[in-house]
Amino acid sequence: QVQLQESGPGLVKPSETLSLTCTVSGGSISNYYWSWIRQSPGKGLEWIGHIFYSGSTGYNPSLKSRVTISVDQSKKQFSLNLTSVSAADTAVYYCAREVTTVTMSAFDIWGQGTMVIVSS
Amino acid sequence: SSELTQDPAVSVALGQTVRITCQGDSLRIYFASWYQQKPGQAPVLVIYGKNNRPSGIPDRFSGSNSGNTASLTITGAQAEDEADYYCNSRDSSGNPFGGGTKLTVV
Repeated sequence: QVQLQESGPGLVKPSETLSLTCTVSGGSISNYYWSWIRQSPGKGLEWIGHIFYSGSTGYNPSLKSRVTISVDQSKKQFSLNLTSVSAADTAVYYCAREVTTVTMSAFDIWGQGTMVIVSS
Repeated sequence: SSELTQDPAVSVALGQTVRITCQGDSLRIYFASWYQQKPGQAPVLVIYGKNNRPSGIPDRFSGSNSGNTASLTITGAQAEDEADYYCNSRDSSGNPFGGGTKLTVV
């Protein structure tokens, strides 16, 4: 079965760039959107953005100026870069597979999540 | 931008039926998906599309849609259903989540 695993630093300094990678195992990266979602401590879920396996992207308007999502099909990985971070970006970051049709989308497979703390 | 609105908290007696709702303009066009999240765990998809359950999700979970409102119904709530529930839907700018509903089973 398809599994997702996030990786990256757990501590990032303010004003620096947060970089995370999600590795897809047990299945193909093709023909799906792949999303990043975060959850600040004690708060709800926030969709950050997604990338189609071929490279087209979509971002949350509130984060768009700071976010880049990229994909490496050969490694079956997709990555998140979030620039100019502040304490408000402290959160658990999840990667997820997104199933999309004309009338809906759904995140059917999730990684376990990785906690990223922004602090000096 | 689209918003999805959920009641912050709902309670249900053990074995009874509870409906959790999600309101938003995008729901007039797109179906919602619903996620269950227990403390310290990643969210789990429980309902998607018109009323589809992933494999392994009990049939006491069901979904419905009317106008700008999507609903998740749990028929015969169990103690293990106590969790946070989030709705999500596509819209013109992305895939926003609702604020979440904390379900307490009493």
